[in-house]
Amino acid sequence: QLQLQESGPGLVKPSETLSLTCTVSGDSISSNIYFWGWIRQPPGKGLEWIGSLYYSGSTYYNPSLKSRATISVDTSTNQFSLKLSSVTAADTAVYYCASQTYSGGWARWFDPWGQGTLVTVSS
Amino acid sequence: EIVMTQSPATLSVSPGERATLSCRASQSVSSNLAWYQKKPGQAPRLLIYGASTRATGIPARFSGSGSGTEFTLTISSLQSEDFAVYYCQHYINWPLTFGGGTKVEIK
Repeated sequence: QLQLQESGPGLVKPSETLSLTCTVSGDSISSNIYFWGWIRQPPGKGLEWIGSLYYSGSTYYNPSLKSRATISVDTSTNQFSLKLSSVTAADTAVYYCASQTYSGGWARWFDPWGQGTLVTVSS
Repeated sequence: EIVMTQSPATLSVSPGERATLSCRASQSVSSNLAWYQKKPGQAPRLLIYGASTRATGIPARFSGSGSGTEFTLTISSLQSEDFAVYYCQHYINWPLTFGGGTKVEIK
């Protein structure tokens, strides 16, 4: 059974870089049937897709983040990571990692999700 | 970017009653639509994919319908554990987008 778990600092200073890691268990991150994604939810707001990655390194990002996001994969540790640069208070959110089924040449729905981790941007 | 619009923002329903949630896409997403349930402090839970296929372990009281730009999630008889926020999400192209959510609350 595929499981994902986020980890990383819960507090980041404004203008710095937020870094989170998602550890995948239950299957290989190099499996060709998954994309790997990051989604966030600011307090009191809805879900926002940040970006998705395929094990080969192909990545897709939400253009609203204006190139601040970078998602990468480490196949040796079965992990993928998110870096978000130049953070502000608006980046305060619960950050989730999730897998996406990849079929028919397309990345699809998110399932399962990690439990989420709250990141607060504050000095 | 495809904009997903959910209505109503809040739905007040009594236990045992039917709830009907709507999701509209700004352009056709065919059947490339998923529904999620979100409870406070919990990760989102996939309910429906392909607009109408229930995910593994999802009770039959949850059903999805629609295609193109208009979609509906129906909860046939609300149970206490169903009071939550529900989100739709398209996956026809990048960027992926979610609707703003519908909160189903106890009437």
